[in-house]
Amino acid sequence: QVQLVESGGGVVQPGGSLRLSCAASGFTFSSYGMHWVRQAPGKGLEWVAFIRYDGSNKYYADSVKGRFTISRDNSKNTLYLQMNSLRAEDTAVYYCAKDKAQGGLDYWGQGTLVTVSS
Amino acid sequence: AIRMTQSPSSFSASTGDRVTITCRASQGISSYLAWYQQKPGKAPKLLIYAASTLQSGVPSRFSGSGSGTDFTLTISCLQSEDFATYYCQQYYSYPVTFGPGTKVDIK
Repeated sequence: QVQLVESGGGVVQPGGSLRLSCAASGFTFSSYGMHWVRQAPGKGLEWVAFIRYDGSNKYYADSVKGRFTISRDNSKNTLYLQMNSLRAEDTAVYYCAKDKAQGGLDYWGQGTLVTVSS
Repeated sequence: AIRMTQSPSSFSASTGDRVTITCRASQGISSYLAWYQQKPGKAPKLLIYAASTLQSGVPSRFSGSGSGTDFTLTISCLQSEDFATYYCQQYYSYPVTFGPGTKVDIK
């Protein structure tokens, strides 16, 4: 069965950095695009970034462009999100999600909480 | 970026009710629209993609319709497990955008 397991969340000071990981299993990771989506406490879903199956194209929300970098290691079945210059408004649960080729995000991880606070 | 709106933002309903949630895109997105259900403390679950295609394993009481800028999610006979927040999402162009959500709670 498909499993996505995020890790790397925690508490970080404003201006700091954090790298999230998402370990994938149960499907051919190298064949699918992957997304990061976040949800601030008590708020709605906000899409963060997408990477194509082979890493050839990446897209970002304007709110994180230039600060966050999405990447993947298909040999390790792992997705990453490098987050730099973190701000209080980046505080959220971060989900990784598998792109369904026909549309939508069909599998999601359980999420990892990132708290940006001094 | 394409802006997604949903209405209503929340409402109360009873088990057995037929409910409809509306989603509108700020520009035409053809049928590149998905619907998700999210329960508190849980990850979202894909219900419908391509505006009207039911995701595998999703009960048939859920249905979606629309194209262009106006879309609807209908639950034909609300069950207790359907009380949740529902989000629409466009994937016509990047950045992908979600609607603000519609919370359905018990009357």
